[in-house]
Amino acid sequence: SQKIEQNSEALNIQEGKTATLTCNYTNYSPAYLQWYRQDPGRGPVFLLLIRENEKEKRKERLKVTFDTTLKQSLFHITASQPADSATYLCALDYSGAGSYQLTFGKGTKLGHT
Amino acid sequence: DGGITQSPKYLFRKEGQNVTLSCEQNLNHDAMYWYRQDPGQGLRLIYYSQIVNDFQKGDIAEGYSVSREKKESFPLTVTSAQKNPTAFYLCASSTGGEQYFGPGTRLTVT
Repeated sequence: SQKIEQNSEALNIQEGKTATLTCNYTNYSPAYLQWYRQDPGRGPVFLLLIRENEKEKRKERLKVTFDTTLKQSLFHITASQPADSATYLCALDYSGAGSYQLTFGKGTKLGHT
Repeated sequence: DGGITQSPKYLFRKEGQNVTLSCEQNLNHDAMYWYRQDPGQGLRLIYYSQIVNDFQKGDIAEGYSVSREKKESFPLTVTSAQKNPTAFYLCASSTGGEQYFGPGTRLTVT
């Protein structure tokens, strides 16, 4: 079965620095890879989607890369602020096969020092 | 405003009782999902439905049941057969791309 690993349970960085979160997966590559933000006690909120034939996607201070050779996605937040503190979830999307299902990683909790 | 509503936000039940969690969406999405989230476990798929009157089991369907009689509604029943029902339950909907999540229901069974 497909396994997803997000680099660490928690990551603390200095305010103003770039936060980099990692999502690694095994087996075959998904059609799409998605990133979500989740605040405590709330539902996840969609941030970015990247397709398997795209190398990089940007949205404001967010950047996602997708390397199907390494089976890895990196999620970057530039000039990170305390307001960015949350848990970030990576999700593999095999909807290219028509199933509409996502497989989620356990998430990385981002904090600031 | 379009979105997904889940009610109630907190729910308490005694062991052995069935309980139904509500999920309603006005986004006109065909697909709806139920997930369970436990500390350190991430989101695990319980059931999903891609169309009215049809649904499929997810990874952890045992002890749960669902119905999809209307496009807008996808209620989840946690039965007494579910061994560890205490958890945070999330409902979502989509058109096949990103998923839109509700605020969640925190169920505590004692």
